[in-house]
Amino acid sequence: EAGVAQSPRYKIIEKRQSVAFWCNPISGHATLYWYQQILGQGPKLLIQFQNNGVVDDSQLPKDRFSAERLKGVDSTLKIQPAKLEDSAVYLCASTPFGAHSYEQYFGPGTRLTVT
Amino acid sequence: GENVEQHPSTLSVQEGDSAVIKCTYSDSASNYFPWYKQELGKRPQLIIDIRSNVGEKKDQRIAVTLNKTAKHFSLHITETQPEDSAVYFCAASIGYKLSFGAGTTVTVRA
Repeated sequence: EAGVAQSPRYKIIEKRQSVAFWCNPISGHATLYWYQQILGQGPKLLIQFQNNGVVDDSQLPKDRFSAERLKGVDSTLKIQPAKLEDSAVYLCASTPFGAHSYEQYFGPGTRLTVT
Repeated sequence: GENVEQHPSTLSVQEGDSAVIKCTYSDSASNYFPWYKQELGKRPQLIIDIRSNVGEKKDQRIAVTLNKTAKHFSLHITETQPEDSAVYFCAASIGYKLSFGAGTTVTVRA
């Protein structure tokens, strides 16, 4: 089966600019996650979707970050305006809801550099 | 929320020796404990996981143990090989929400 797809793979922007990331989960996976992974740290959950509804966005900096998952498939994560501390890899992951396994399948990530 | 601590942050082992990574978690309601391996520039990949109703699980050279009373779990890699060099992350979850440790960089010396 095809894996989780993300684009772009790399992005360099200046602070105060806007940026958007795209994720296409594995077909049929109802649950989708966005993580932020700062260099040298573990992934930190930003937002979790169940189909097109938000399950958990408690760690999403809502003053600058937004995410949506229209039609319950693809998702976009936006940062506006970006800050230097937003430099990180943004990982998307998906899980088939209701499956006997909680395994999350990760995409290759988008490496964001804010200068 | 859940807090996961992971030790050590770096680990260097001689090829063929064993490697052990330890994690502790704070929320006794956590019921799923996966371990992910992340090679440089690549996506995290699940290598083994364990549920709270199991004390130990093994898959070839990799094993995980869980002590619910002490709220800690460990990854054991035996007969290490150069391809085991990577960053390893533990995680704990209640249902689908994962909280990750900070990672352990494992280097296997030839």
